[in-house]
This record gives sequence, C-alpha cells and structure tokens, in this order.
Amino acid sequence: DAKTTQPNSMESNEEEPVHLPCNHSTISGTDYIHWYRQLPSQGPEYVIHGLTSNVNNRMASLAIAEDRKSSTLILHRATLRDAAVYYCILRDVGGAQKLVFGQGTRLTINP
Amino acid sequence: GAGVSQSPSNKVTEKGKDVELRCDPISGHTALYWYRQSLGQGLEFLIYFQGNSAPDKSGLPSDRFSAERTGGSVSTLTIQRTQQEDSAVYLCASNLAGPGEQFFGPGTRLTVL
Repeated sequence: DAKTTQPNSMESNEEEPVHLPCNHSTISGTDYIHWYRQLPSQGPEYVIHGLTSNVNNRMASLAIAEDRKSSTLILHRATLRDAAVYYCILRDVGGAQKLVFGQGTRLTINP
Repeated sequence: GAGVSQSPSNKVTEKGKDVELRCDPISGHTALYWYRQSLGQGLEFLIYFQGNSAPDKSGLPSDRFSAERTGGSVSTLTIQRTQQEDSAVYLCASNLAGPGEQFFGPGTRLTVL
C-alpha cells in the first residue's frame, strides 16, 4: 500500500472549520483515499472515501487535488466530539483488503 | 442493528498463559479482520478472513498467534504462551466483501503481567 503523510497534531476551535491535510505523492491510479477516525477509547470509525472527485457526506467533505497527490478532510463545523486521531489511508481497489494505518493526526478541539 | 461485538472487554493474564479473544461480526458480513493497537506500534493488521477463502495471515507476528472463524461468522483469536509485548488492544472489524467501509468493534484490552 502506498504511504501517506499527515501532521502529527492539529488544534482548532469549536464551531470552526477544520482542514486536515494528507500527502500521498506515490498514489497509483487504482488507489482510493479513505479516512477513518478514532475517538478516545473506541475502535476506528469510517469517515469518508473518494477516488478523484470531491466527496461529501454527513460527517465531512473530502477534497482531492487534481493530481491526486494530496487530499484534505474538511470538518465544516467542529464540535468537541470531533476530537480524535484521523487516519488517511490508501486502498487499492483490487489489492489486499486490510487497512494500513499510519500515525494519523491527533485533532484537539478547544471549547 | 447490532454492531461488531468483542469479548471480553478486558483481559489480564500472566506471562506464559494462553488467551482467547472473541469477535462477533455484523450479521451478513463475509469479511472479518483482526488488528491490534499497542503504544509502540500503532494500529497494525493481523489477519483477514473472506468467506471460504484461505485467510490472509500475513500480519500475525509469530506462530504463537492463530485465529479461526467458524461457520463464516464468529472468530476467535488465540495467543499461546503470552508475552508482555503482547499487551495491546485487539480490534476486530467486519464488512461486506470488497474494499468498502470496515466496521470496528470496541476492542479487547489485553494486559500480560
């Protein structure tokens, strides 16, 4: 699986937007970009995924660069409950189904 | 509906003892995964079951670790002759076949004294 690079930590304020970056310069044409997050003392939970086009769901938006070498997870209005470790993961649609987790970004939300 | 459940939630054992960890996946999910999360190693893949196919055991750290999945549903992860470095949270996930969203259980926290 191709490698991703994320900042170790980020901090934001409640009710403000948060942009979490991820670099994946070695991404291949068949790699999907997945985001999971892990709240304290819980298992990871799926957030969103995409291939080329930007994606929106009830939790977040995913903005994918035109060359696909980077992407940004956007939380439009952060709440205290969004404090978690966010993982950006590449998955080849035809490859192994396991998730390969990096260190992720620890997001702190200030009240 | 019910999510992925794991038992026990916590397990404390003595070095050298065997332990069994259980995972009940979401009903109908054909794929089941085991991961573990330790302070030193982060989240790492252990083993993957898909239907009746041979499991992907590429992440098992040693031959002390084994897992089985009976009847395509419940899975048991067994660690023999536990060592202190086996202390970690063991997470189970399941999904429908393919690269879709994986649903994780709450994990079993294993402490080896």
